[in-house]
Amino acid sequence: SQQGEEDPQALSIQEGENATMNCSYKTSINNLQWYRQNSGRGLVHLILIRSNEREKHSGRLRVTLDTSKKSSSLLITASRAADTASYFCATDEGYGTDSWGKLQFGAGTQVVVTP
Amino acid sequence: DGGITQSPKYLFRKEGQNVTLSCEQNLNHDAMYWYRQDPGQGLRLIYYSQIVNDFQKGDIAEGYSVSREKKESFPLTVTSAQKNPTAFYLCASSMQYQETQYFGPGTRLLVL
Repeated sequence: SQQGEEDPQALSIQEGENATMNCSYKTSINNLQWYRQNSGRGLVHLILIRSNEREKHSGRLRVTLDTSKKSSSLLITASRAADTASYFCATDEGYGTDSWGKLQFGAGTQVVVTP
Repeated sequence: DGGITQSPKYLFRKEGQNVTLSCEQNLNHDAMYWYRQDPGQGLRLIYYSQIVNDFQKGDIAEGYSVSREKKESFPLTVTSAQKNPTAFYLCASSMQYQETQYFGPGTRLLVL
């Protein structure tokens, strides 16, 4: 079963604009991760935010986590054509739980950045 | 070069045939995973292994089998019992007790 749900399903922006996508989940988590997938390729890990963190940055990426609302957002600033990809959130319920070692992925947000 | 390799890139299966997808990693990771991805959907976990000679069913294990005889290798067999095998299959690995997973390039399985 899918834990995370991304919103929107698709996003089209121009180079230089910011892209924001959201992820909602259902159960308590240990951490939430964001991955990128270029068309027909494997996934690349972008950023991990733990349940006791509220915001994290990595280069042009900014992730927030609101555990009270069970939601996260990924912001890509000053987007480039190379950012065109699908972006997935994945949740981890953590060590010691029945779900340890299992990431639950959402369906993804497809981002298209046009020059 | 460290990483995860999957082969073949494309695989064709005939009706009633079992096929095996290869996944090898040289990252010295303890845990390995197999996911299935259907068009426009996220990844669903088929099987995972946290240590050699041990593996657990994921959310959609029916019609699939795995083995973990070596730390570096985690092959997935798609059996004839899997009635809808057409999908993109992704293998991943991680260090034990660490959450980040590293993915291979994937194998696309098509049914003839």
